[in-house]
Amino acid sequence: EAGVVQSPRYKIIEKKQPVAFWCNPISGHNTLYWYLQNLGQGPELLIRYENEEAVDDSQLPKDRFSAERLKGVDSTLKIQPAELGDSAVYLCASSSGQPTDTQYFGPGTRLTVL
Amino acid sequence: AQSVTQLGSHVSVSEGALVLLRCNYSSSVPPYLFWYVQYPNQGLQLLLKYTSAATLVKGINGFEAEFKKSETSFHLTKPSAHMSDAAEYFCAVSEVGANSKLTFGKGITLSVRP
Repeated sequence: EAGVVQSPRYKIIEKKQPVAFWCNPISGHNTLYWYLQNLGQGPELLIRYENEEAVDDSQLPKDRFSAERLKGVDSTLKIQPAELGDSAVYLCASSSGQPTDTQYFGPGTRLTVL
Repeated sequence: AQSVTQLGSHVSVSEGALVLLRCNYSSSVPPYLFWYVQYPNQGLQLLLKYTSAATLVKGINGFEAEFKKSETSFHLTKPSAHMSDAAEYFCAVSEVGANSKLTFGKGITLSVRP
């Protein structure tokens, strides 16, 4: 069974440029998460989807970040414009949505903003 | 609000020695608890989880953890370290009966000396 797929794996952009990350969750998982992981830190939740509905986006900086999950499967996370402080790893995870369920993580996208 | 404390950022052990990685949680009620491992340039992988059944939980790769309510702890142990255990380890908490949001600790880097 395929795991969570993310692309690109690495992205280098200049500040003020836009960037987008894509995630394909495990088949059948209705809950999808985007996490931000800064160097030397644990992941922090940015947004959680149940099917196509964003049910928790309280930590998403809405002035520059946006996300969508059309048709309740793939998801895209966008930053526009990127700032130097956005350099981090962006992780996508999926699960069946219950609090005891395992969240399965993708390999992440490492973003470097110059 | 829930939180997780992982004291220290780096633990170094000799191959064959006991591995002990500490995790303490703060929560108004006993939560669900998770240990994840992250190898370089990879996503997080679940090692084990406590979901209010047995307090001693066995996971993959010979790891286990014990939930101690009186100490609000969920320390991770392995009797004999292997070189392949070198990685970053994250403890995470999820609130019982609520959504599936995970709150992660800062992580501990485990080094294994030959």
